Amino acid sequence: DTGVSQDPRHKITKRGQNVTFRCDPISEHNRLYWYRQTLGQGPEFLTYFQNEAQLEKSRLLSDRFSAERPKGSFSTLEIQRTEQGDSAMYLCASSLDGAYGFFGPGTRLTVL
Amino acid sequence: GENVEQHPSTLSVQEGDSAVIKCTYSDSASNYFPWYKQELGKRPQLIIDIRSNVGEKKDQRIAVTLNKTAKHFSLHITETQPEDSAVYFCAAFPSGTYKYIFGTGTRLKVLA
Repeated sequence: DTGVSQDPRHKITKRGQNVTFRCDPISEHNRLYWYRQTLGQGPEFLTYFQNEAQLEKSRLLSDRFSAERPKGSFSTLEIQRTEQGDSAMYLCASSLDGAYGFFGPGTRLTVL
Repeated sequence: GENVEQHPSTLSVQEGDSAVIKCTYSDSASNYFPWYKQELGKRPQLIIDIRSNVGEKKDQRIAVTLNKTAKHFSLHITETQPEDSAVYFCAAFPSGTYKYIFGTGTRLKVLA
C-alpha cells in the first residue's frame, strides 16, 4: 500500500495519560497535515509541516498538543494529559506542492 | 477568520435524480476548492477540485461550479446511484495559508 498510513488505528486511554500517534505520508510528498474530526463535523486543521518545518499551527491547539516531523518523512502527534474532549478521529494528510491532500485512515482516540 | 458554510446538512434523492450541494467561503483570497467524499468509517477521498481561475469542471457524473464574485461553489452529481450515498465535504484553501478549511458536511442518501 503506497498511500498515507497511520498507527495505531484505534487508541483507548484513560484521562490524564499521554498518547502518541504516527503518520507515514506518501514518500515523495513534502507537505503533511494533521486534522481532527469529531462525529458529524468536517476535519478541523491542527498543524502543517513542509518537509521538517512546522509552518502553521491552529490557534485552537492547546499546549498539550505537539507534533514533529524530524526528518521530513514520518510525523508524530503527541497529546499530553489527555482529556475526554480530546476523543476524536485524528487524520493525517499529505500532498506534493500545489496538489490536493491524500488522507490516511485516521487514528480513533477514545479518552475514558 | 476563514469560514466555509455548507448546505444542506442532509439530502435525500431518488436514484437517478440529481443532487446539488452548496458552499460559501469567507476569504476572497481562497484559490483552491476540493470536494471530498467520506463513507462511514473511512477516510475522506477527493472526488473533484477546482481552482479559482476556472468557473466549472466536470468529471463524468460529477461537476463543480465556482462563482468567485459571490464566493460560492457547488457540487453537482447527476444520475445518482446508491453508492453515491456518503458524507460530502467541501473545502477552501485560503491564499497565504497552508490549511484547508472544511465545511460541516452533507449527508447524501440515494434511495433505490
